[in-house]
Amino acid sequence: KQEVTQIPAALSVPEGENLVLNCSFTDSAIYNLQWFRQDPGKGLTSLLLIQSSQREQTSGRLNASLDKSSGRSTLYIAASQPGDSATYLCAVRPSGAGSYQLTFGKGTKLSVIP
Amino acid sequence: NAGVTQTPKFQVLKTGQSMTLQCAQDMNHNSMYWYRQDPGMGLRLIYYSASEGTTDKGEVPNGYNVSRLNKREFSLRLESAAPSQTSVYFCASSELSWTGGDADTQYFGPGTRLTVL
Repeated sequence: KQEVTQIPAALSVPEGENLVLNCSFTDSAIYNLQWFRQDPGKGLTSLLLIQSSQREQTSGRLNASLDKSSGRSTLYIAASQPGDSATYLCAVRPSGAGSYQLTFGKGTKLSVIP
Repeated sequence: NAGVTQTPKFQVLKTGQSMTLQCAQDMNHNSMYWYRQDPGMGLRLIYYSASEGTTDKGEVPNGYNVSRLNKREFSLRLESAAPSQTSVYFCASSELSWTGGDADTQYFGPGTRLTVL
């Protein structure tokens, strides 16, 4: 059974710092990995999707990398801002026909201090 | 575009009562999903509909039923609510669920906060 782990569970940084969030998964047979953001009391917002054949994806100040063979992904946030404060979740989709079920990590709660 | 909408936003039920959570998307997506989110457990898939006319069980389907009413709408029904079903329920949709590419991006609704007493 696929397991997704996100470490640390919580992170507090001063505004302006660059930071890295980690995601690891136990089964490397995946179609893709997605990073989401969740604000308190809200739904999830997709940030980046990395296909299994890709090494990284970028969107603005966000860069996500994927090392499928080692079962790891990182989300790099450059020049953090207080508005980046949220919980960040990663999710993997297994490869194989009919495999639609995403497995989510429990998230990293990020606080960016002004 | 409204994206994914869910009703109601909040609900309190007594044990044994029934209710239906409604979800609609206006992005012409083929696939729709129902998740529950619990503290310490993360997000877990209850049911999904890969395309109009099909539904399948996810990780935690017991106590729930679903209906894919049409391409836009996917409802979740609790026939006899139990306190263990107290949770936040999210509906999501994606363009195509079987390609594995960018079309796999899932778009989430704002959630329904359900309390069962």
